[in-house]
Amino acid sequence: SQELEQSPQSLIVQEGKNLTINCTSSKTLYGLYWYKQKYGEGLIFLMMLQKGGEEKSHEKITAKLDEKKQQSSLHITASQPSHAGIYLCGAGRGAQKLVFGQGTRLTINP
Amino acid sequence: DGGITQSPKYLFRKEGQNVTLSCEQNLNHDAMYWYRQDPGQGLRLIYYSQIVNDFQKGDIAEGYSVSREKKESFPLTVTSAQKNPTAFYLCASSTLPGGNQPQHFGDGTRLSIL
Repeated sequence: SQELEQSPQSLIVQEGKNLTINCTSSKTLYGLYWYKQKYGEGLIFLMMLQKGGEEKSHEKITAKLDEKKQQSSLHITASQPSHAGIYLCGAGRGAQKLVFGQGTRLTINP
Repeated sequence: DGGITQSPKYLFRKEGQNVTLSCEQNLNHDAMYWYRQDPGQGLRLIYYSQIVNDFQKGDIAEGYSVSREKKESFPLTVTSAQKNPTAFYLCASSTLPGGNQPQHFGDGTRLSIL
């Protein structure tokens, strides 16, 4: 099983709707990163969360870290076609490693 | 503009052939990483390097080799020992090694078997 589990694995929403993607860790979280990837391209860094209860926003995307639940959520408000892509969460594991979830594929229907 | 450049974008390998993927960064980052991405899966760490002339195996290093002769460059060789090399390969770098700084990624190289 994956160390980081993302849910859902894929999501189709109508433009303008809100949505949430979850990332759950099987181990203690020491830092959680959210990235976005368009098909066949590299990852774009969105946000980094380091403390329990921390919440960050960038434009219409908000991410929260619940350290007790070992979970992070990514919320998009009033989704737009530009939000479509694959969202990946990554977690720090010691001094050298970053492990990733399997990704959530987001499709926005007009 | 600073960034990470991966080349080529597409690469084809024949049976028994070694191929090398290039990764160059001008961000003055100390740490560099190679990941492999398969459909429906997240990224898996192949190798990483914190300083010049030093590198460590990641989770799936078998069949791969790397070198770090310059701070800016971290090429990955996919050897003939890697029996399932078809994947999307991503290079990344960060200012500090480890999990407390975001990693910045290149645009990837897609490797296929002829």
